[in-house]
Amino acid sequence: QQQVKQSPQSLIVQKGGISIINCAYENTAFDYFPWYQQFPGKGPALLIAIRPDVSEKKEGRFTISFNKSAKQFSLHIMDSQPGDSATYFCAASRTTDSWGKLQFGAGTQVVVTP
Amino acid sequence: NAGVTQTPKFQVLKTGQSMTLQCAQDMNHNSMYWYRQDPGMGLRLIYYSASEGTTDKGEVPNGYNVSRLNKREFSLRLESAAPSQTSVYFCASSGPSRGLAVYNEQFFGPGTRLTVL
Repeated sequence: QQQVKQSPQSLIVQKGGISIINCAYENTAFDYFPWYQQFPGKGPALLIAIRPDVSEKKEGRFTISFNKSAKQFSLHIMDSQPGDSATYFCAASRTTDSWGKLQFGAGTQVVVTP
Repeated sequence: NAGVTQTPKFQVLKTGQSMTLQCAQDMNHNSMYWYRQDPGMGLRLIYYSASEGTTDKGEVPNGYNVSRLNKREFSLRLESAAPSQTSVYFCASSGPSRGLAVYNEQFFGPGTRLTVL
Protein backbone atom coordinates (compact mmCIF):
# COMPACT_ATOMS: atom_id res chain seq x y z
CA GLN A 1 0.00 0.00 0.00
CA GLN A 2 1.62 3.18 -1.21
CA GLN A 3 1.36 5.88 1.43
CA VAL A 4 2.42 8.67 -0.92
CA LYS A 5 0.89 8.84 -4.39
CA GLN A 6 2.67 10.89 -7.04
CA SER A 7 1.55 12.07 -10.48
CA PRO A 8 2.18 12.32 -13.34
CA GLN A 9 4.59 9.47 -14.04
CA SER A 10 6.33 11.59 -16.65
CA LEU A 11 6.03 14.98 -18.25
CA ILE A 12 7.63 16.90 -21.08
CA VAL A 13 7.89 20.67 -20.86
CA GLN A 14 9.46 23.24 -23.11
CA LYS A 15 12.32 25.39 -21.91
CA GLY A 16 10.92 28.34 -20.00
CA GLY A 17 7.70 26.51 -19.13
CA ILE A 18 6.33 25.45 -15.74
CA SER A 19 6.59 21.86 -14.53
CA ILE A 20 4.05 20.76 -11.92
CA ILE A 21 4.22 17.50 -9.99
CA ASN A 22 1.56 16.50 -7.48
CA CYS A 23 1.62 14.24 -4.44
CA ALA A 24 -1.03 13.06 -2.01
CA TYR A 25 -0.59 11.32 1.31
CA GLU A 26 -2.79 9.36 3.69
CA ASN A 27 -1.08 9.44 7.07
CA THR A 28 -1.95 12.65 8.94
CA ALA A 29 0.99 12.00 11.27
CA PHE A 30 3.40 12.97 8.48
CA ASP A 31 4.91 16.37 9.20
CA TYR A 32 7.88 16.66 6.87
CA PHE A 33 7.60 16.65 3.09
CA PRO A 34 10.81 16.71 1.05
CA TRP A 35 11.39 16.52 -2.67
CA TYR A 36 14.38 14.65 -4.05
CA GLN A 37 15.96 15.13 -7.47
CA GLN A 38 17.75 12.32 -9.28
CA PHE A 39 19.87 12.65 -12.39
CA PRO A 40 20.53 9.57 -14.58
CA GLY A 41 23.15 7.29 -13.06
CA LYS A 42 23.18 9.14 -9.73
CA GLY A 43 21.56 8.75 -6.36
CA PRO A 44 18.68 11.04 -5.34
CA ALA A 45 19.55 14.29 -3.56
CA LEU A 46 17.41 16.57 -1.43
CA LEU A 47 16.05 19.49 -3.47
CA ILE A 48 13.62 21.30 -1.17
CA ALA A 49 11.42 20.44 1.80
CA ILE A 50 8.44 21.85 3.70
CA ARG A 51 6.79 21.51 7.09
CA PRO A 52 2.97 21.70 7.33
CA ASP A 53 3.03 24.93 9.32
CA VAL A 54 3.53 26.87 6.07
CA SER A 55 1.55 26.67 2.83
CA GLU A 56 4.37 27.51 0.45
CA LYS A 57 8.14 27.43 0.30
CA LYS A 58 10.25 28.84 -2.50
CA GLU A 59 13.90 28.27 -3.28
CA GLY A 60 15.00 29.84 -6.52
CA ARG A 61 12.88 28.44 -9.35
CA PHE A 62 11.50 25.62 -7.19
CA THR A 63 8.35 26.07 -5.09
CA ILE A 64 6.47 23.64 -2.88
CA SER A 65 2.77 24.29 -2.33
CA PHE A 66 1.18 22.50 0.60
CA ASN A 67 -2.52 21.92 1.30
CA LYS A 68 -2.89 20.31 4.71
CA SER A 69 -6.68 19.90 4.62
CA ALA A 70 -6.50 18.11 1.25
CA LYS A 71 -3.39 16.16 2.27
CA GLN A 72 -1.70 17.21 -0.94
CA PHE A 73 1.52 18.95 -1.88
CA SER A 74 3.08 19.86 -5.17
CA LEU A 75 6.37 20.92 -6.72
CA HIS A 76 6.44 23.74 -9.24
CA ILE A 77 9.51 24.29 -11.39
CA MET A 78 9.34 27.76 -12.87
CA ASP A 79 11.22 28.76 -16.03
CA SER A 80 12.18 25.10 -16.58
CA GLN A 81 15.67 24.55 -18.01
CA PRO A 82 17.18 21.54 -19.84
CA GLY A 83 19.40 21.03 -16.78
CA ASP A 84 16.24 20.35 -14.73
CA SER A 85 15.65 17.16 -16.71
CA ALA A 86 15.67 14.52 -13.99
CA THR A 87 13.43 12.24 -11.96
CA TYR A 88 11.70 13.90 -9.03
CA PHE A 89 10.46 12.05 -5.97
CA CYS A 90 8.17 13.42 -3.30
CA ALA A 91 8.38 11.91 0.15
CA ALA A 92 6.89 12.17 3.63
CA SER A 93 7.96 11.32 7.13
CA ARG A 94 7.28 11.98 10.77
CA THR A 95 9.91 14.10 12.47
CA THR A 96 9.10 12.26 15.70
CA ASP A 97 10.72 9.21 14.06
CA SER A 98 14.29 9.86 15.09
CA TRP A 99 15.52 7.36 12.54
CA GLY A 100 14.24 9.52 9.70
CA LYS A 101 12.36 6.92 7.67
CA LEU A 102 10.87 8.38 4.48
CA GLN A 103 7.91 7.17 2.42
CA PHE A 104 8.63 7.93 -1.24
CA GLY A 105 6.28 8.50 -4.14
CA ALA A 106 6.80 6.54 -7.36
CA GLY A 107 8.69 9.36 -9.07
CA THR A 108 8.12 11.69 -12.03
CA GLN A 109 10.49 11.80 -14.97
CA VAL A 110 10.74 15.39 -16.23
CA VAL A 111 12.15 16.15 -19.65
CA VAL A 112 12.75 19.79 -20.57
CA THR A 113 13.11 20.29 -24.31
CA PRO A 114 15.28 23.11 -25.71
CA ASN B 1 34.39 13.84 2.76
CA ALA B 2 33.26 11.06 0.43
CA GLY B 3 29.68 11.00 1.79
CA VAL B 4 28.04 7.63 1.07
CA THR B 5 30.03 5.12 -0.94
CA GLN B 6 28.79 1.86 -2.43
CA THR B 7 30.57 -1.11 -3.97
CA PRO B 8 30.38 -2.57 -6.51
CA LYS B 9 28.91 -0.18 -9.09
CA PHE B 10 27.75 -2.99 -11.38
CA GLN B 11 27.25 -6.71 -10.86
CA VAL B 12 25.88 -9.58 -12.91
CA LEU B 13 24.86 -12.75 -11.08
CA LYS B 14 23.39 -16.06 -12.09
CA THR B 15 20.24 -17.29 -10.39
CA GLY B 16 21.13 -18.88 -7.06
CA GLN B 17 24.43 -17.08 -6.57
CA SER B 18 25.03 -14.98 -3.47
CA MET B 19 26.65 -11.62 -3.03
CA THR B 20 27.04 -8.76 -0.58
CA LEU B 21 26.59 -5.10 -1.43
CA GLN B 22 28.77 -2.83 0.65
CA CYS B 23 27.92 0.65 1.91
CA ALA B 24 29.90 3.09 4.03
CA GLN B 25 29.31 6.67 5.19
CA ASP B 26 31.73 9.15 6.71
CA MET B 27 29.20 11.68 8.04
CA ASN B 28 28.86 10.12 11.51
CA HIS B 29 25.19 9.40 10.81
CA ASN B 30 23.21 7.14 13.09
CA SER B 31 20.68 5.84 10.57
CA MET B 32 21.32 3.91 7.38
CA TYR B 33 19.01 2.47 4.74
CA TRP B 34 18.90 0.14 1.76
CA TYR B 35 16.48 0.84 -1.11
CA ARG B 36 15.81 -0.72 -4.43
CA GLN B 37 14.68 1.31 -7.40
CA ASP B 38 12.61 -0.21 -10.20
CA PRO B 39 10.92 1.58 -13.11
CA GLY B 40 7.52 2.94 -12.09
CA MET B 41 7.95 1.75 -8.49
CA GLY B 42 10.00 4.55 -7.06
CA LEU B 43 12.29 3.86 -4.13
CA ARG B 44 11.26 0.97 -1.94
CA LEU B 45 12.85 0.45 1.46
CA ILE B 46 14.38 -2.99 1.94
CA TYR B 47 15.93 -2.67 5.40
CA TYR B 48 17.02 0.14 7.66
CA SER B 49 19.17 0.56 10.70
CA ALA B 50 18.09 3.30 13.10
CA SER B 51 21.36 3.08 15.00
CA GLU B 52 24.42 0.90 15.35
CA GLY B 53 23.37 -2.53 16.53
CA THR B 54 19.78 -2.39 15.30
CA THR B 55 18.16 -3.36 12.01
CA ASP B 56 14.53 -3.48 10.90
CA LYS B 57 12.60 -4.65 7.88
CA GLY B 58 11.25 -2.18 5.38
CA GLU B 59 8.63 -2.69 2.67
CA VAL B 60 10.36 -5.41 0.64
CA PRO B 61 12.76 -7.43 2.86
CA ASN B 62 12.16 -10.91 1.45
CA GLY B 63 15.28 -12.45 -0.06
CA TYR B 64 17.66 -10.03 1.66
CA ASN B 65 19.65 -9.82 4.85
CA VAL B 66 21.59 -6.93 6.32
CA SER B 67 24.41 -6.33 8.74
CA ARG B 68 25.21 -3.07 10.50
CA LEU B 69 28.88 -3.80 10.95
CA ASN B 70 29.63 -0.58 12.84
CA LYS B 71 28.41 3.00 12.73
CA ARG B 72 29.96 3.58 9.30
CA GLU B 73 29.06 0.39 7.43
CA PHE B 74 25.79 -1.27 6.46
CA SER B 75 25.85 -4.24 4.09
CA LEU B 76 23.09 -5.94 2.12
CA ARG B 77 23.31 -9.64 1.31
CA LEU B 78 21.47 -11.66 -1.29
CA GLU B 79 21.77 -15.30 -0.24
CA SER B 80 20.27 -16.86 -3.37
CA ALA B 81 19.76 -14.30 -6.11
CA ALA B 82 16.61 -14.40 -8.25
CA PRO B 83 15.81 -12.54 -11.50
CA SER B 84 13.18 -10.54 -9.55
CA GLN B 85 16.07 -8.97 -7.64
CA THR B 86 17.39 -7.32 -10.78
CA SER B 87 17.32 -3.66 -9.79
CA VAL B 88 19.35 -0.62 -8.84
CA TYR B 89 20.22 -0.63 -5.16
CA PHE B 90 20.83 2.53 -3.19
CA CYS B 91 22.26 2.95 0.26
CA ALA B 92 21.46 6.10 2.22
CA SER B 93 22.24 7.57 5.61
CA SER B 94 20.76 10.28 7.79
CA GLY B 95 21.74 12.07 10.95
CA PRO B 96 20.41 14.60 13.39
CA SER B 97 18.58 17.62 12.04
CA ARG B 98 20.88 20.32 10.75
CA GLY B 99 18.46 23.00 11.78
CA LEU B 100 14.85 24.09 11.44
CA ALA B 101 14.97 23.98 7.67
CA VAL B 102 16.00 20.40 7.20
CA TYR B 103 14.75 17.32 8.94
CA ASN B 104 15.69 13.73 8.39
CA GLU B 105 17.60 14.50 5.21
CA GLN B 106 18.84 11.30 3.64
CA PHE B 107 22.10 11.25 1.73
CA PHE B 108 22.28 8.66 -1.02
CA GLY B 109 25.17 6.74 -2.50
CA PRO B 110 25.69 6.39 -6.27
CA GLY B 111 23.93 3.03 -6.47
CA THR B 112 24.72 -0.54 -7.53
CA ARG B 113 23.16 -1.81 -10.74
CA LEU B 114 22.50 -5.54 -10.27
CA THR B 115 21.39 -7.94 -12.98
CA VAL B 116 20.39 -11.51 -12.13
CA LEU B 117 20.27 -13.86 -15.09
